[in-house]
Amino acid sequence: DTAVSQTPKYLVTQMGNDKSIKCEQNLGHDTMYWYKQDSKKFLKIMFSYNNKELIINETVPNRFSPKSPDKAHLNLHINSLELGDSAVYFCASSPTTGNQPQHFGDGTRLSIL
Amino acid sequence: GENVEQHPSTLSVQEGDSAVIKCTYSDSASNYFPWYKQELGKRPQLIIDIRSNVGEKKDQRIAVTLNKTAKHFSLHITETQPEDSAVYFCAADRVDRGSTLGRLYFGRGTQLTVWP
Repeated sequence: DTAVSQTPKYLVTQMGNDKSIKCEQNLGHDTMYWYKQDSKKFLKIMFSYNNKELIINETVPNRFSPKSPDKAHLNLHINSLELGDSAVYFCASSPTTGNQPQHFGDGTRLSIL
Repeated sequence: GENVEQHPSTLSVQEGDSAVIKCTYSDSASNYFPWYKQELGKRPQLIIDIRSNVGEKKDQRIAVTLNKTAKHFSLHITETQPEDSAVYFCAADRVDRGSTLGRLYFGRGTQLTVWP
């Protein structure tokens, strides 16, 4: 029983394409996150949703659009992919916002050709 | 916003030795400090955390200490084993007064290698 599951695990695509990553958590948590981990392993938050409401939106290009249909799901759509988008994208969840342990998914490795 | 600095970036120890990783933070309002372990190709996993009302916390071979005055916190691993080899991340979180909103600021990670 995977607590935070992401699909796909790997995504290889060409520049200019549009792609989506899906995330689901079965922990009953209210808050979900998207992180980007670059080649130097730096973990940077992109977005956070609490009970389907966007609460954190870091300085991320408009090409990235998150969507939370319900509090157990948080998807990430990326338009017009660029070489610099190559990274591992992690979904995470926590019981509520702030000062809570976060549980991470296994990540989606995005490679732009 | 918060700035978390982590040192060293790489650490090599012999099996059985201790390892210490140190982090400093800039925002005195930060009040939650988790540590994550990330093995190669895997997800970050929480290994221990500490809140600002506690100075030290221990879980078997792992301990974390917090010095609020100096704004630094450290991870201590004793009797290291090869399976401790991974990247370790510290992080700091704050919840603004009157709010429930918070976010984690991560350090840049420490690659720990334990040689048998």
